[in-house]
Amino acid sequence: QVQLVESGGGVVQPGKSLRLSCVASGFSFWDSAMHWVRQAPGRGLEWVAVLAYDGSDKQYVDSVKGRFTVSRDNSKNTVYLEMKNLRADDTAVYYCAKLQAAGVSSWGQGTQVTVSS
Amino acid sequence: FSLTQPHSVSGSPGTTVTISCTRSSGSIANNFVQWYQQRPGSAPVTVIYRDDRRPSGVPVRFSGSIDRSSNSASLTISGLQTEDEADYYCQSYDGSNHWVFGGGTRLTVL
Repeated sequence: QVQLVESGGGVVQPGKSLRLSCVASGFSFWDSAMHWVRQAPGRGLEWVAVLAYDGSDKQYVDSVKGRFTVSRDNSKNTVYLEMKNLRADDTAVYYCAKLQAAGVSSWGQGTQVTVSS
Repeated sequence: FSLTQPHSVSGSPGTTVTISCTRSSGSIANNFVQWYQQRPGSAPVTVIYRDDRRPSGVPVRFSGSIDRSSNSASLTISGLQTEDEADYYCQSYDGSNHWVFGGGTRLTVL
């Protein structure tokens, strides 16, 4: 079955950087677009970014453009989210997800990112 | 574009509730809609995909539909059970590969 395991979360000061990782198994990772979705405390889900199966296309929500970068290593079945210049409003649980337009989506368990001085 | 959901709905056990999801621009019919259930402290789980299809393991009490006239999607839960109490999110995308979630609806089973 599909498994997505995130790591790399933690507490970081405003303006600093953090890199999240997501290791995938149970499906053809090399052939799948991958997404990052976040959820601030007490708030709803917010789509953050998508990366095409071959890395050729990357899209971001406006609030993270220029600060966040999504990448992948298909040899390691891993997708990354590099976050720079972090702000307090980036505090959230970050989910790695295999969102599908016409199929069943799968989600990781999430990793907490807290931006605080 | 955005997806608008009611903040909350409620119903008694055994009744039927419907959660709406209205798309602000672009046709609801042009891009598939998914629905997710999220219980406190847990990751979302797909309950409806491709507008109206149920993943295996999701009870038949859950159904989805779209309405072109109101440019909206709906999630209907019949025979409400206490275990259905959760947050529900609709989700779709556009031609630029930007994905959007609705604001979420808190379902309370009275």
